[in-house]
Amino acid sequence: GIQVEQSPPDLILQEGANSTLRCNFSDSVNNLQWFHQNPWGQLINLFYIPSGTKQNGRLSATTVATERYSLLYISSSQTTDSGVYFCAFDNYGQNFVFGPGTRLSVLP
Amino acid sequence: ETGVTQSPTHLIKTRGQQVTLRCSSQSGHNTVSWYQQALGQGPQFIFQYYREEENGRGNFPPRFSGLQFPNYSSELNVNALLLGDSALYLCASSRTGQETQYFGPGTRLLVL
Repeated sequence: GIQVEQSPPDLILQEGANSTLRCNFSDSVNNLQWFHQNPWGQLINLFYIPSGTKQNGRLSATTVATERYSLLYISSSQTTDSGVYFCAFDNYGQNFVFGPGTRLSVLP
Repeated sequence: ETGVTQSPTHLIKTRGQQVTLRCSSQSGHNTVSWYQQALGQGPQFIFQYYREEENGRGNFPPRFSGLQFPNYSSELNVNALLLGDSALYLCASSRTGQETQYFGPGTRLLVL
C-alpha cells in the first residue's frame, strides 16, 4: 500500500514563530487532506488540498502532486495551535489513510 | 463542532468483556466510518457503513462488528476485549460524493 511519512515527528515552538510541516507519500494519492487533532482528541478538517495552494487565516497548505508531497505552513503560531497535525489521503472513497502525524507544542 | 456526536466519552472495561460504542452522524450524512487510534499513532480504519451495510473493512478481526440504523447513526461492537483494544475510537460521517469526512470527539476505551 501507499506509505505516508510526516516530518518532523515533534516540533516545539515559541508563540509567534512560524513553522512548516511536511507530508510525503510513496505514490499518487487522491484527496489529500490536513487535519488538526487538539489535545482532547477532536480531529478538525483544515484543508482539502489535492493540488495547488490554499490559505485560511494563519494557515496555508501546498500540495505538489507530481512530486508527491504536501506542506502545511503555520504562521504566528498560538498556543491553541498545539496538538497533532495529520495528513491523510482518500482510499477509494472508503476511508482515510493517515500519516503518523507531527506533534506540535507552542509555548507561551 | 462537526455535528458528529459519540457516546460514551470514556469507558473502562476488563479483558473478555464486550463493549458497544455509539455515533450519531451529521445531519444529511449517510455514511459512517469507524477508526481506532492507539496512543501516539494515527487513526486506523476499522470499517465503513453505507445504507445499513458494511461498505469496506480494514485489517481488524471479526470480533469488531458494527451496525448502521435507518437514521444513519451507528454502533461499533467489540467482543472478547483485549488489553490492546485500549484506544481512542473515532467515528466520522460523510455524504455520498463528499470529498471529506467529519469526525466526532471520540470514545476513550481502557481495557484492564
